[in-house]
Amino acid sequence: QKEVEQNSGPLSVPEGAIASLNCTYSDRGSQSFFWYRQYSGKSPELIMSIYSNGDKEDGRFTAQLNKASQYVSLLIRDSQPSDSATYLCAVSYGNKLVFGAGTILRVKS
Amino acid sequence: GAGVSQSPRYKVAKRGQDVALRCDPISGHVSLFWYQQALGQGPEFLTYFQNEAQLDKSGLPSDRFFAERPEGSVSTLKIQRTQQEDSAVYLCASSFALAGGEQYFGPGTRLTVT
Repeated sequence: QKEVEQNSGPLSVPEGAIASLNCTYSDRGSQSFFWYRQYSGKSPELIMSIYSNGDKEDGRFTAQLNKASQYVSLLIRDSQPSDSATYLCAVSYGNKLVFGAGTILRVKS
Repeated sequence: GAGVSQSPRYKVAKRGQDVALRCDPISGHVSLFWYQQALGQGPEFLTYFQNEAQLDKSGLPSDRFFAERPEGSVSTLKIQRTQQEDSAVYLCASSFALAGGEQYFGPGTRLTVT
């Protein structure tokens, strides 16, 4: 059983703070990892992909991958109220993505 | 350019009716995926096409679910004899890659079975 685990939250952070979202996965053979953002009533939107150990930065977002610990995280710097959404971690197993249940992020102004 | 499109956006079906959900992927994307998302959960994989070939249908919950992509572009997910437990959002995604690449989602079809 391929599993992806996330803390459901909600994670509440003040505007301007760093939000840290975490995800663990069960299969050591996984090679591709993704973070999607999903606003209420909308479909998932891809915000980051990461394939190798270390950090990958894109604007205010940084994805971190540690394959030895089977752990992937997303940092959002200078959090804005518009970042309030559910963040889905997804791990590629062969052709398909296996998703976590998502972490609800609330950024308070 | 245009993203993934899906139709209808909302569908209400009476229990026992058949429904057909359409997905039009991003032009040039070889891979097409269907996912089912229940409220408060992440999307769950249903099936995968590479061009017109259905290479993985391991996530289809029963033989009432059927998907096709006859010309390697537009795909249809059909659900026969709908049941209340089929109520969910059905998401289509496409990818340029053959495997393991970035997937882009359409807006989804919200199916309600009454």
